[in-house]
Amino acid sequence: KQEVTQIPAALSVPEGENLVLNCSFTDSAIYNLQWFRQDPGKGLTSLLLIQSSQREQTSGRLNASLDKSSGRSTLYIAASQPGDSATYLCAVKGSARQLTFGSGTQLTVLP
Amino acid sequence: DTAVSQTPKYLVTQMGNDKSIKCEQNLGHDTMYWYKQDSKKFLKIMFSYNNKELIINETVPNRFSPKSPDKAHLNLHINSLELGDSAVYFCASSYGTGENTEAFFGQGTRLTVV
Repeated sequence: KQEVTQIPAALSVPEGENLVLNCSFTDSAIYNLQWFRQDPGKGLTSLLLIQSSQREQTSGRLNASLDKSSGRSTLYIAASQPGDSATYLCAVKGSARQLTFGSGTQLTVLP
Repeated sequence: DTAVSQTPKYLVTQMGNDKSIKCEQNLGHDTMYWYKQDSKKFLKIMFSYNNKELIINETVPNRFSPKSPDKAHLNLHINSLELGDSAVYFCASSYGTGENTEAFFGQGTRLTVV
């Protein structure tokens, strides 16, 4: 059974800092990995999708990498801003064709 | 131009009642899902429908019954509500279920059972 772990559970950084969020999964037989952002009381916003055949994806200040063999993904946020404060969720899609989520990293960017 | 919309956004009800949550997507997707986010913020799949057919049915009490009248709608009906049903329920959709399918989520419905 797939398990997804995100470390750290919470992170607080000053504005302007570059940061890395980590995601690990136990079953490397995945279809894709998706990073989401969740703001308090809001839904999930898809940030990046990495297919199993890809190594990384970039969108603006965000860069996500995928190492299937080691069961790891990282989300790199460059030049963080207070508006980046949210919970970041990692989810993997496996052979069961469903997303398995991690518990998220709560990010606070201090002005 | 809402992509995945759920109604209601908040739902407060008494134990034992029956309630429904509606979900609609205007993305032309053929697969829809219901997820439950518990108090510890874990999101877990409940159901998945592809072209109106049930393809995933996780271990969910049979008090929960999804209904898909067409590809654009997936409603969740809950009978005999219990305190433990309190959670945020998210609807999602995607086009297919393969490698390059990206899931899009609604804003969630916060259900509180009192």
